[in-house]
Amino acid sequence: AQSVTQLGSHVSVSEGALVLLRCNYSSSVPPYLFWYVQYPNQGLQLLLKYTTGATLVKGINGFEAEFKKSETSFHLTKPSAHMSDAAEYFCAVRGGGATNKLIFGTGTLLAVQP
Amino acid sequence: DGGITQSPKYLFRKEGQNVTLSCEQNLNHDAMYWYRQDPGQGLRLIYYSQIVNDFQKGDIAEGYSVSREKKESFPLTVTSAQKNPTAFYLCASSSGQGAPPSFGDGTRLSIL
Repeated sequence: AQSVTQLGSHVSVSEGALVLLRCNYSSSVPPYLFWYVQYPNQGLQLLLKYTTGATLVKGINGFEAEFKKSETSFHLTKPSAHMSDAAEYFCAVRGGGATNKLIFGTGTLLAVQP
Repeated sequence: DGGITQSPKYLFRKEGQNVTLSCEQNLNHDAMYWYRQDPGQGLRLIYYSQIVNDFQKGDIAEGYSVSREKKESFPLTVTSAQKNPTAFYLCASSSGQGAPPSFGDGTRLSIL
């Protein structure tokens, strides 16, 4: 069965500092992995995805993530945090079988301090 | 603009009442999903549909019902059997294998 663990429900960084949000997955099949961002009272917006191929994936707003099979990880990073990055971030893995449903982690709330 | 429209944005339910949340998409996507979001629990799948006139239960389907009579529409009914309906409900759709779902802006349901 597929599952996702996000380490750290709250992360706080200073503006300009490195952002690192951790995600570990479990999957019985080659995983498709995703990061989404959610601003208050809004839906989820896709940041980036990994399906196959290059393990370093670049997304929108300067974010990137690296798929590491040996560590079953897909951590999200951004070199320099902006105030506008404050939001909740969700890691997800595609569920098994013929469907495209996603299994989500519990989310990490990112705070950016001035 | 292409996208997913959820309505209403806020909804209140009285004791013993059924309420229906609307989800419409004009992306021509085959698959549609309903997720429930509670603080600290992430998103949990309620129901999903891969094609018109067919749908499957997700992880927390009890107390909910859906229909998929049209490709564009996937309404969710929260029945009186759902004893803890207060949550943020998100509808999503996707075009197929490997394609990440797109999400609507959600409906927040509260109990009066």
